[in-house]
Amino acid sequence: GAVVSQHPSRVICKSGTSVKIECRSLDFQATTMFWYRQFPKQSLMLMATSNEGSKATYEQGVEKDKFLINHASLTLSTLTVTSAHPEDSSFYICSAREVPGAVVNEQFFGPGTRLTVL
Amino acid sequence: GQNIDQPTEMTATEGAIVQINCTYQTSGFNGLFWYQQHAGEAPTFLSYNVLDGLEEKGRFSSFLSRSKGYSYLLLKELQMKDSASYLCAVSDNQGGKLIFGQGTELSVKP
Repeated sequence: GAVVSQHPSRVICKSGTSVKIECRSLDFQATTMFWYRQFPKQSLMLMATSNEGSKATYEQGVEKDKFLINHASLTLSTLTVTSAHPEDSSFYICSAREVPGAVVNEQFFGPGTRLTVL
Repeated sequence: GQNIDQPTEMTATEGAIVQINCTYQTSGFNGLFWYQQHAGEAPTFLSYNVLDGLEEKGRFSSFLSRSKGYSYLLLKELQMKDSASYLCAVSDNQGGKLIFGQGTELSVKP
């Protein structure tokens, strides 16, 4: 099946620094990638939808200047958490969708990145 | 608005059958997914329903009724490793955006 990787898997940073998370589709081209955030004991909350070569579409309440998304190629999207604060500590998960050509409207998830801001 | 409801937690016995329900109200509908998620890991795909009826895949089956905005995931012959969170998600348009329910934490006891 389709494989999506994320790097790093775990990161600890100081408050005020920026952190970049990479999401790669390894064996397929992903025209659309999604970024989610998940707090403990809660479900996945969509942050933004990223289409290759265009600006990301952010969900209501997500600050686009704080969470910078770049989808420069069909296999790579990056999420940069700028000026991170302890409340940004969370599990960040990306997913990728292979379209056109996908039979099922399925998203393939990366393994997630655990961000801890001290 | 968009709303997806599922029970917060369920407990079942090893070897038994458990049904996890999901009701949804979304502005559009382009399919319903069930995912399994173990703590600290990413969700893994279990099933997809876009037409009414039952989809069976080994020990897992999923049912959809679009007119009722209702789905369930049926797990048979429960194993200890089935202890996980089960997420119901609806794709509400052609863009592939998924709206997730809060997840059902299933505990399988010996």
